[in-house]
Amino acid sequence: GENVEQHPSTLSVQEGDSAVIKCTYSDSASNYFPWYKQELGKRPQLIIDIRSNVGEKKDQRIAVTLNKTAKHFSLHITETQPEDSAVYFCAASDFGNEKLTFGTGTRLTIIP
Amino acid sequence: DVKVTQSSRYLVKRTGEKVFLECVQDMDHENMFWYRQDPGLGLRLIYFSYDVKMKEKGDIPEGYSVSREKKERFSLILESASTNQTSMYLCAVPSTGTGANVLTFGAGSRLTVL
Repeated sequence: GENVEQHPSTLSVQEGDSAVIKCTYSDSASNYFPWYKQELGKRPQLIIDIRSNVGEKKDQRIAVTLNKTAKHFSLHITETQPEDSAVYFCAASDFGNEKLTFGTGTRLTIIP
Repeated sequence: DVKVTQSSRYLVKRTGEKVFLECVQDMDHENMFWYRQDPGLGLRLIYFSYDVKMKEKGDIPEGYSVSREKKERFSLILESASTNQTSMYLCAVPSTGTGANVLTFGAGSRLTVL
């Protein structure tokens, strides 16, 4: 089955700087890669996703890049703000198969 | 969007007890999932169901079973709870209309087994 590795496990960034979280996947059949954000005490929520037919997707301050050849994808957050502090999870699946395999999570802390 | 309700937010049980965790959705979706969340291990799939009375094992099914008698309700059962099942349990349902793979999670059930 699919295996998703995520790094780093913790990340501290000065407010206003950029943060990058990286994931690798093992199953070449995977073609859908979402990112979920979980704030303290709350449920995970989708923040951005990408399908394998595109290499990059942006939504305001967040972007996701995908390298299918290397089987890795990354989350980029620019101009970080205190409300970006949370745990972020990457995931992978075959689109149309709703079963997601998640990474181990990254705890991002924004230092004011 | 689908609403996913987990009735028990916090439970404390003793080793060997039978535990039921319930999840209810309001959108009549075929698929429902149970994940377990542990620090450093992320979200791991325990079981999922793709219709009434239909189920499939996820990545860590040992020690768990599930029940889906009605489409809106998916139950996770710990037949004999053990301390290593102390964890946060999250139910998830695909969000109708936003893409097949987008999951909406319940608020979670934090289980402590003493």
